[in-house]
Amino acid sequence: EDQVTQSPEALRLQEGESSSLNCSYTVSGLRGLFWYRQDPGKGPEFLFTLYSAGEEKEKERLKATLTKKESFLHITAPKPEDSATYLCAVHPYGSGNTGKLIFGQGTTLQVKP
Amino acid sequence: SAVISQKPSRDICQRGTSLTIQCQVDSQVTMMFWYRQQPGQSLTLIATANQGSEATYESGFVIDKFPISRPNLTFSTLTVSNMSPEDSSIYLCSVEVPSGNPYEQYFGPGTRLTVT
Repeated sequence: EDQVTQSPEALRLQEGESSSLNCSYTVSGLRGLFWYRQDPGKGPEFLFTLYSAGEEKEKERLKATLTKKESFLHITAPKPEDSATYLCAVHPYGSGNTGKLIFGQGTTLQVKP
Repeated sequence: SAVISQKPSRDICQRGTSLTIQCQVDSQVTMMFWYRQQPGQSLTLIATANQGSEATYESGFVIDKFPISRPNLTFSTLTVSNMSPEDSSIYLCSVEVPSGNPYEQYFGPGTRLTVT
């Protein structure tokens, strides 16, 4: 069964304290892995798509990496405005053209000034 | 990228009634999706809506409960029928946008539904 597990569930950081969020996945074949940011009461905001092991993408203080079993979202010198829930999702090859993304439960990040 | 709007942004409905949620995209897209996010939970796909064909529903979701229309390449509706308190959720539409990568999936702002 295709599955996505994110850890930790919650993370509290001091401003400037770098850390990483983990997304472990089990799929029969990976079409793509997505990272989203979700603020309370809002829809997920697209951050990155990764397609193959070894791929890395960066955006401001965020860097996403991908291996064959997991992805990391590295946050460098976070600021309070980075506080949000970060969602990881995979698109398995077996889902065909349904576009079905399988989401993890998310990591809620709080950055204190 | 794609800019997606949803109407209504939120609603409070009585059990037994129905609500139709609209999703509008600023560009033509082939694939549109409807997700549900129950309180404190992550997102679950309800169905895929391609223009010109019947919607494809995921296990646990049926057309009688969640009828979907897709009249053109920029618009879709999801109806939540005969509502019960268990239907209280955020309903989100999303679209797949071909890019150089080869694709990305974007979400609308969501419709927060409360059933009393």
